[in-house]
Amino acid sequence: NAGVTQTPKFQVLKTGQSMTLQCAQDMNHNSMYWYRQDPGMGLRLIYYSASEGTTDKGEVPNGYNVSRLNKREFSLRLESAAPSQTSVYFCASKDRNRNSPLHFGNGTRLTVT
Amino acid sequence: AQKVTQAQTEISVVEKEDVTLDCVYETRDTTYYLFWYKQPPSGELVFLIRRNSFDEQNEISGRYSWNFQKSTSSFNFTITASQVVDSAVYFCALSEPLNAGGTSYGKLTFGQGTILTVHP
Repeated sequence: NAGVTQTPKFQVLKTGQSMTLQCAQDMNHNSMYWYRQDPGMGLRLIYYSASEGTTDKGEVPNGYNVSRLNKREFSLRLESAAPSQTSVYFCASKDRNRNSPLHFGNGTRLTVT
Repeated sequence: AQKVTQAQTEISVVEKEDVTLDCVYETRDTTYYLFWYKQPPSGELVFLIRRNSFDEQNEISGRYSWNFQKSTSSFNFTITASQVVDSAVYFCALSEPLNAGGTSYGKLTFGQGTILTVHP
């Protein structure tokens, strides 16, 4: 059981380049999330999808777009990468029970030069 | 606005010492959930415990224990007889409704994290 799978694990981009971070979960969860982790700031929510077909902005959505392709997959796109987007990105999923925890992927370390 | 504060940025202890990680939260919701996650040096986020706002019973799991006090908006985490393998970043998080109806939870607000180093 893979859980939440993120690809790639590492990526280096030049300023202005675009890329898509992929995330897939095999737990039949309804909700999926993208967080970024920066030193001293914990994890901050970028976008989330409460259910298939819906997406909403989180705390720090600027510079990102998302697509909930189907129930399993939730991708995060950087259209024009900036150095401020250098971070570790985590995808997570959750079932519909109120008290269920988030299940996280292993993260993508992105460096924008 | 919801907020989680982990005032201890870094803690360093020697093996077998007890250590408590503090977490203070702010929310206007009456129903909410609190979580602790562990992030070892390998980088993954590991769920440790959840507590709902109606259950103030303390919980013990092996060397781990959690003290939830609604009156002080705190959810502290104690490791007894710490071990080197406990070295990690620990995050406290607060979960609130995603929609106005309060029927969907999932947005977690995280604290800044506490880096715990246990020396042999």
